Amino acid sequence: GAVVSQHPSWVICKSGTSVKIECRSLDFQATTMFWYRQFPKQSLMLMATSNEGSKATYEQGVEKDKFLINHASLTLSTLTVTSAHPEDSSFYICSARVQTGNYEQYFGPGTRLTVT
Amino acid sequence: GQSLEQPSEVTAVEGAIVQINCTYQTSGFYGLSWYQQHDGGAPTFLSYNGLDGLEETGRFSSFLSRSDSYGYLLLQELQMKDSASYFCAVDTGGFKTIFGAGTRLFVKA
Repeated sequence: GAVVSQHPSWVICKSGTSVKIECRSLDFQATTMFWYRQFPKQSLMLMATSNEGSKATYEQGVEKDKFLINHASLTLSTLTVTSAHPEDSSFYICSARVQTGNYEQYFGPGTRLTVT
Repeated sequence: GQSLEQPSEVTAVEGAIVQINCTYQTSGFYGLSWYQQHDGGAPTFLSYNGLDGLEETGRFSSFLSRSDSYGYLLLQELQMKDSASYFCAVDTGGFKTIFGAGTRLFVKA
């Protein structure tokens, strides 16, 4: 099956700094990737849809200037949490679909961000 | 608004059968998916229903009734490793998927 990787798997940063999370599709090309945020024992909340070569589409309530998304190639999307604060601490997960019409999403292993 | 409702927790014994229900109310509907997530891990795809009826994949089956905006995931011959969270998810179109809050399944010996 399709494989999606994320890096780093966990990161601890100080308040006010920025953190970049990478999401890669390893064995397929993903024109669209998704970024989710998940708090402990809660559901996955879609933050934004990342489109290769164009601007990301953010969900209502998600600050686009705080969560910068770049989808520079067909296999890589990055999420940068700028000026991180403790409330940004969460589990960030990316996913991708292999092709249009296939509704299965392949999720990366997630990145646990802790802001101190 | 858009919502998916599923029970927060279900407990069952090893070897038993358990059914996790999901009702949804969304602006668009293209299909209902189910995902499994173990603590600390990423969700993994279990099944998808685009049409009414039952889909079977090994010990897991999923059902959809679009007229009732209802579906369920059926897990048979429960094993301890099935203890996890299970999410139903609706594809609302335009590549957008909305997830339910998840059902934590506890399998006891």
